[in-house]
Amino acid sequence: AQRVTQPEKLLSVFKGAPVELKCNYSYSGSPELFWYVQYSRQRLQLLLRHISRESIKGFTADLNKGETSFHLKKPFAQEEDSAMYYCALSSYSGAGSYQLTFGKGTKLSVIP
Amino acid sequence: NAGVTQTPKFRVLKTGQSMTLLCAQDMNHEYMYWYRQDPGMGLRLIHYSVGEGTTAKGEVPDGYNVSRLKKQNFLLGLESAAPSQTSVYFCASSLGGGPVYEQFFGPGTRLTVL
Repeated sequence: AQRVTQPEKLLSVFKGAPVELKCNYSYSGSPELFWYVQYSRQRLQLLLRHISRESIKGFTADLNKGETSFHLKKPFAQEEDSAMYYCALSSYSGAGSYQLTFGKGTKLSVIP
Repeated sequence: NAGVTQTPKFRVLKTGQSMTLLCAQDMNHEYMYWYRQDPGMGLRLIHYSVGEGTTAKGEVPDGYNVSRLKKQNFLLGLESAAPSQTSVYFCASSLGGGPVYEQFFGPGTRLTVL
């Protein structure tokens, strides 16, 4: 069965410092990974996905199949980055459908 | 476009009572999902639907039933609520089911079962 692990419940960094939110996965198939973000009083929204190889709001994430990781990085943290971040894995569940498996989330707090 | 909406936003039930949560989307999405989120946990998939008239079980389906009679609506039912079902429930929808398709989430329903 697939599993997503986010080892840190809370990560506090100073404004301007680099950020790395860790995500490790376990999946027997070819992994497709995502980062979702939930800002205070807002709904969960997609931040970025591995398949698009994009950079959103300065964040990037590289899939490392050898280490089974998909860590989220940003070189300089901003106060507006404070939010809850969830790593998610898409897995095939049969009959043409896919499921997202979420990690438990990491709360990022950027200190002014 | 309202996107994904959920009704109600909050609800308190007594053990054994029943209720239905409504999810509606106006994006003409084929796929819809119900998740629950408990403190310190990630979202866990309860049930999902790949199109009107279809439903399938997710990771934690016990104690819940769902229906997708109309493409835009996905209902989650609790026939006999239990305190273990106290949670925040999120609905989501996507155009398709593969990893290229983004899931769009509703604002959540906070349910407390006493």
